[in-house]
Amino acid sequence: QSVLTQPPSVSAAPGQKVTISCSGSSSNIGNNYVSWYQQLPGTAPKLLIYENNKRPSGIPDRFSGSKSGTSATLGITGLQTGDEADYYCGTWDSSLSAHVVFGGGTKLTVL
Amino acid sequence: EVQLVQSGAEVKKPGESLRISCKGSGYSFTSYWISWVRQMPGKGLEWMGRIDPSDSYTNYSPSFQGHVTISADKSISTAYLQWSSLKASDTAMYYCARLESYSYEFWGQGTLVTVSS
Repeated sequence: QSVLTQPPSVSAAPGQKVTISCSGSSSNIGNNYVSWYQQLPGTAPKLLIYENNKRPSGIPDRFSGSKSGTSATLGITGLQTGDEADYYCGTWDSSLSAHVVFGGGTKLTVL
Repeated sequence: EVQLVQSGAEVKKPGESLRISCKGSGYSFTSYWISWVRQMPGKGLEWMGRIDPSDSYTNYSPSFQGHVTISADKSISTAYLQWSSLKASDTAMYYCARLESYSYEFWGQGTLVTVSS
């Protein structure tokens, strides 16, 4: 059971837009930056979004992030078959000892 | 170019000890914390803990505290993840990652650990 809640799966057609939600609490998302990661099958995770809405160099602007209260959202526009992957949100949790928590992951299927 | 290169896959028996490594290059190793992340077969990412290579200060996820040890040797820019007595449930892919701006942009390629009798 992950501390951060994500939908297990989402799907959309090529060219369409999809959003992936990540729900937490005041001890994690509510008071800390959120990051998003893409994991293609058999590969290490790749950072897509950091500090809620910033993109690392090389990440296309089709990927966007937002945060409101204790929830965060990853948006992907202009879906491509290559976007089919698992997506994870992550943030710090200030309860007890500071540590990082990840969502359970969302499988994106591009139909 | 920033790189984190991990040691190769391991096959161990229950009760055996193990240490896997993560060597950083292309940056000042002591300037960034290194974290370890577990991914069990078919499952999600789990943060295990982190180390500050400059002074070897560590902190662990409550889920992993006491079960693993994270260490580093800054003289060779290498971080380690260690078990004293493996269990079958430790079978997983383990990633190291560099912490920056509260996130992980650089990851190792992963080390697959298989524990089976």
